Amino acid sequence: AQSVTQLGSHVSVSEGALVLLRCNYSSSVPPYLFWYVQYPNQGLQLLLKYTSAATLVKGINGFEAEFKKSETSFHLTKPSAHMSDAAEYFCAVKSTGGGNKLTFGTGTQLKVEL
Amino acid sequence: SAVISQKPSRDICQRGTSLTIQCQVDSQVTMMFWYRQQPGQSLTLIATANQGSEATYESGFVIDKFPISRPNLTFSTLTVSNMSPEDSSIYLCSALPTGTGWNTEAFFGQGTRLTVV
Repeated sequence: AQSVTQLGSHVSVSEGALVLLRCNYSSSVPPYLFWYVQYPNQGLQLLLKYTSAATLVKGINGFEAEFKKSETSFHLTKPSAHMSDAAEYFCAVKSTGGGNKLTFGTGTQLKVEL
Repeated sequence: SAVISQKPSRDICQRGTSLTIQCQVDSQVTMMFWYRQQPGQSLTLIATANQGSEATYESGFVIDKFPISRPNLTFSTLTVSNMSPEDSSIYLCSALPTGTGWNTEAFFGQGTRLTVV
């Protein structure tokens, strides 16, 4: 079985501040992990993915995430928030034990304030 | 990458009626998925649709309520049958490109925002 937990359904940061969105996973086999972003009234867009090649993954729009097996975490960070980063962010896991199906976390709504 | 188009983008429907959502991919894909995103919640997988076989439904979803078609490698439909206000959600189509491995990301359509009154 595979699952994802996102701590904090709402996160608010000031423009220019560090963004940290938390994601912990559970998987009985090595996981593949993804972060997606959903802007209002739009579908999901891939930000980045972990596929075991490197533990620190860089994605689009300045986001990155670090896979930490010992902590079963895949937190998403961005050094400096921009107003355009306001959106909902979903962490998702896929593993060979779960077929080719993505299991999503509950999402984190990021608000960026001036 | 694949571009996925969903129609309609939104609809308001009367309870008891049915709505068919179309999903068109600009390239051939092996696996297509249908998700439901209820207000303020995450995405829940409804079913997996592979061309040439019956859709595989997740626990809590049944074919009579959500019949799915997958006539070819670029197209799928999801029907929401005998709708009630509880079916008001965003329905998202997703696809995995053909010949890809476990580490390949899925692509998503823009979603269909359904309101049942």
